[in-house]
Amino acid sequence: AQKITQTQPGMFVQEKEAVTLDCTYDTSDPSYGLFWYKQPSSGEMIFLIYQGSYDQQNATEGRYSLNFQKARKSANLVISASQLGDSAMYFCAMREPNTGNQFYFGTGTSLTVIP
Amino acid sequence: EAQVTQNPRYLITVTGKKLTVTCSQNMNHEYMSWYRQDPGLGLRQIYYSMNVEVTDKGDVPEGYKVSRKEKRNFPLILESPSPNQTSLYFCASSHGTGVYTEAFFGQGTRLTVV
Repeated sequence: AQKITQTQPGMFVQEKEAVTLDCTYDTSDPSYGLFWYKQPSSGEMIFLIYQGSYDQQNATEGRYSLNFQKARKSANLVISASQLGDSAMYFCAMREPNTGNQFYFGTGTSLTVIP
Repeated sequence: EAQVTQNPRYLITVTGKKLTVTCSQNMNHEYMSWYRQDPGLGLRQIYYSMNVEVTDKGDVPEGYKVSRKEKRNFPLILESPSPNQTSLYFCASSHGTGVYTEAFFGQGTRLTVV
């Protein structure tokens, strides 16, 4: 079974609008970490935001927030007030201790911001 | 500056010619790993290492070797590259214990095997 599932290969959003990128995960471990990364066309991987499984509140970092629904095993990334520079690939990832603290990545979502 | 450094950034080689992609980190991280990125498949882990002299296979280890003789270095070796190993490769490092720290990535190596 896939550890991380991203079901949206591509998304479009109007500039200044908010967009949600979906991510579901699969783990039986009560302790885990969830991460989002951005990959612009230049190729580098940029860490955006982290959510711990025991965190009571949703993580936020500037215009990025993580909609964490533990019972549904979902960790969706919300980008508010989209900018042209947000056009990129976005990857969801998970880290869990029962597999040696490895990172597992999803297949990514390509986001295009339309002016 | 804290960083993960991969070399080379770009490499074109011929089938069967052994190559090494180097990876070095200056953050004293225990955990290091290699990924390949292919369109539609995301990042797939090739090998990872939890510490010096400790390495383990990831999801797609066939055709690759690694070594971890020093904490800071984690080279990826392709003994006999084939065209299906044409890909974008990333090295990453992180603190080894706990699930609370992110992975730091190198700049990527775009490999073409002809």
